Amino acid sequence: NAGVTQTPKFRVLKTGQSMTLLCAQDMNHEYMYWYRQDPGMGLRLIHYSVGEGTTAKGEVPDGYNVSRLKKQNFLLGLESAAPSQTSVYFCASSYASPGLALFEQYFGPGTRLTVT
Amino acid sequence: AQTVTQSQPEMSVQEAETVTLSCTYDTSESDYYLFWYKQPPSRQMILVIRQEAYKQQNATENRFSVNFQKAAKSFSLKISDSQLGDAAMYFCAFPSFGAGNQFYFGTGTSLTVIP
Repeated sequence: NAGVTQTPKFRVLKTGQSMTLLCAQDMNHEYMYWYRQDPGMGLRLIHYSVGEGTTAKGEVPDGYNVSRLKKQNFLLGLESAAPSQTSVYFCASSYASPGLALFEQYFGPGTRLTVT
Repeated sequence: AQTVTQSQPEMSVQEAETVTLSCTYDTSESDYYLFWYKQPPSRQMILVIRQEAYKQQNATENRFSVNFQKAAKSFSLKISDSQLGDAAMYFCAFPSFGAGNQFYFGTGTSLTVIP
């Protein structure tokens, strides 16, 4: 049981290049999320998905796209990278609760992206 | 709108002593969970403790406990018998019942443990 994995762990891009970050989870979670973490700002939600084939915008979606073609995978794409997208990116997943109780999110190890 | 506030950017504690990290939140929901996550230098986000708002009793996990004051919307984390391995960033998190179980995170408190 690997939990939540992210690929790659580190990446350096030049301005204008594109890339895709892959998140995979083996816990059969319905919900998946992409966050970015910047110094002094905690974690901010980029996009999320409540199930296979669905995606929704979070707090800071501009410049990113996502896809959830398979339940276990959630991809984050940068079409034209900018220096402002230099950050640490975290993927997370969680159960979908049938009631009011919401369960914790399980996080991947993070991807450090530098855009020069 | 949901907000989570951690007013202590940095804290330090002597090894074996006790430290309390503060967190306040704002919500109109009546039933919810609250979480504390730890992020050591490895970057991995690790769940420390969770509190269910409808429970009167404060949650405890070994040396970690919370002081949950629902009316005051306060959720502080107490670490007893601090160890060097407790040094990390600590984030308070509050999930919303809106679509997608979105989490709102505080800006974090950096804890230093002094030998």
